[in-house]
Amino acid sequence: AQSVSQHNHHVILSEAASLELGCNYSYGGTVNLFWYVQYPGQHLQLLLKYFSGDPLVKGIKGFEAEFIKSKFSFNLRKPSVQWSDTAEYFCAVNAHIGSARQLTFGSGTQLTVLP
Amino acid sequence: GAGVSQSPRYKVAKRGQDVALRCDPISGHVSLFWYQQALGQGPEFLTYFQNEAQLDKSGLPSDRFFAERPEGSVSTLKIQRTQQEDSAVYLCASSLEGTGAYTEAFFGQGTRLTVV
Repeated sequence: AQSVSQHNHHVILSEAASLELGCNYSYGGTVNLFWYVQYPGQHLQLLLKYFSGDPLVKGIKGFEAEFIKSKFSFNLRKPSVQWSDTAEYFCAVNAHIGSARQLTFGSGTQLTVLP
Repeated sequence: GAGVSQSPRYKVAKRGQDVALRCDPISGHVSLFWYQQALGQGPEFLTYFQNEAQLDKSGLPSDRFFAERPEGSVSTLKIQRTQQEDSAVYLCASSLEGTGAYTEAFFGQGTRLTVV
C-alpha cells in the first residue's frame, strides 16, 4: 500500500519568509499528487494538483509544488508567506491501482506565520 | 448545493451508543468518500461509493462501521456500539467523475465525534 510522509510537523515562520514543506510518497507506479490546506475552522481545500506534464505546478495564493519522480517527492513552496497562510497543510496521493479513487494523506504540517 | 454538507457538525456519544453521520455531496457528483481524521493526523480512507454502489470498504476499521448511499446522493455513515477510539473527525468528500480520469475531491467540514 502507498504511504505519504510529511517530515515537518510544525513550521513557524515570520511574514515574508520563504516556505518549503516536504512530501515524499512510496509508490512506484503512476500517481496523482495533491496539496490541500485547512484553515482554522474550515474544510480541506485544494491548493494545487499534479496529474501529468510539467512537473512544476502552480496553485492558488502563490503556492507552487515540484514533482520529482526520481525522489518520489512533491514539495510545496511559496517565496514569501503571509500571516493569512497560517493553516495546516496536507500532501495527498492517489495511486493508479485498478479503479482506486481514494486519497492517501500525510500526517500534515501545521504552519504558523508570525506577523 | 454549493458544497459538501455534513451533519451534525459535532456529536457526543456515550460509549456503546449508536451514531449516524450524514453527508450531502455536491449535486451531480458520482463519487463519494468517507475519511476518518484522528487528532494530529491526516485523513484516512474509510469507504468509497460510485453512485449507490459501495466499491471499496477496505478502510472501515471494524464491522461496527457501516455506510450506505441508497439513492446515489446522500450518504450515511453509521457506527454501532461506539468506543472511545472512534473519537475523530469524520470527513465526507465528493467528486464529479465515476470511471475514467480522476477529478478533484471536494471535502465537507466534517463531523467531530467524541465518545465519552
